[in-house]
Amino acid sequence: GAVVSQHPSWVICKSGTSVKIECRSLDFQATTMFWYRQFPKQSLMLMATSNEGSKATYEQGVEKDKFLINHASLTLSTLTVTSAHPEDSSFYICSARLLAKNIQYFGAGTRLSVL
Amino acid sequence: AQKVTQAQTEISVVEKEDVTLDCVYETRDTTYYLFWYKQPPSGELVFLIRRNSFDEQNEISGRYSWNFQKSTSSFNFTITASQVVDSAVYFCALSEAGDYKLSFGAGTTVTVRA
Repeated sequence: GAVVSQHPSWVICKSGTSVKIECRSLDFQATTMFWYRQFPKQSLMLMATSNEGSKATYEQGVEKDKFLINHASLTLSTLTVTSAHPEDSSFYICSARLLAKNIQYFGAGTRLSVL
Repeated sequence: AQKVTQAQTEISVVEKEDVTLDCVYETRDTTYYLFWYKQPPSGELVFLIRRNSFDEQNEISGRYSWNFQKSTSSFNFTITASQVVDSAVYFCALSEAGDYKLSFGAGTTVTVRA
């Protein structure tokens, strides 16, 4: 149980385009999901907390207009990287919090390459 | 201020050796949660264990064991009889009550050689 699916796993796009990443909790409902960014050989950096039915909460230094988050249902959160640039290239990983156990379960991550 | 410190950046062992990963945390809360996650080369973070601040019992799960010491603010992780499949980055994380965000340590890369 507690499976989180993230799609796509890999995306290559041209500079200036927008990319949407989906995060789904497959076998549980999650009122709270999280989006992280990870640079090579580094730890995870929390970008934002996604709350079902309300606005996301962004960490300091993260541009909310750049990284649009939508959490329209209890099983789906999306992250849209708008007008992507090469510096946005990174590994993005989501998690969904299983409330009953207070455990975050993670997706497999999305590797974004912006040309 | 960094809440979770994993002082070991990389550890390399030969198969069947034991390996212990250190984790030291810092919090002012009396209620908090500690976690270990494994990140294999594929990238997905795999949940290993959650421990709350009121439960200091050590835990064993197969070849994995955890030693929680509140007196030293440590939550160490030992892999017994390591195997090549244990090669991964291991992260320790802290969550404080009422916040539920995870503060991750820098991670320890474990390489198990055959």
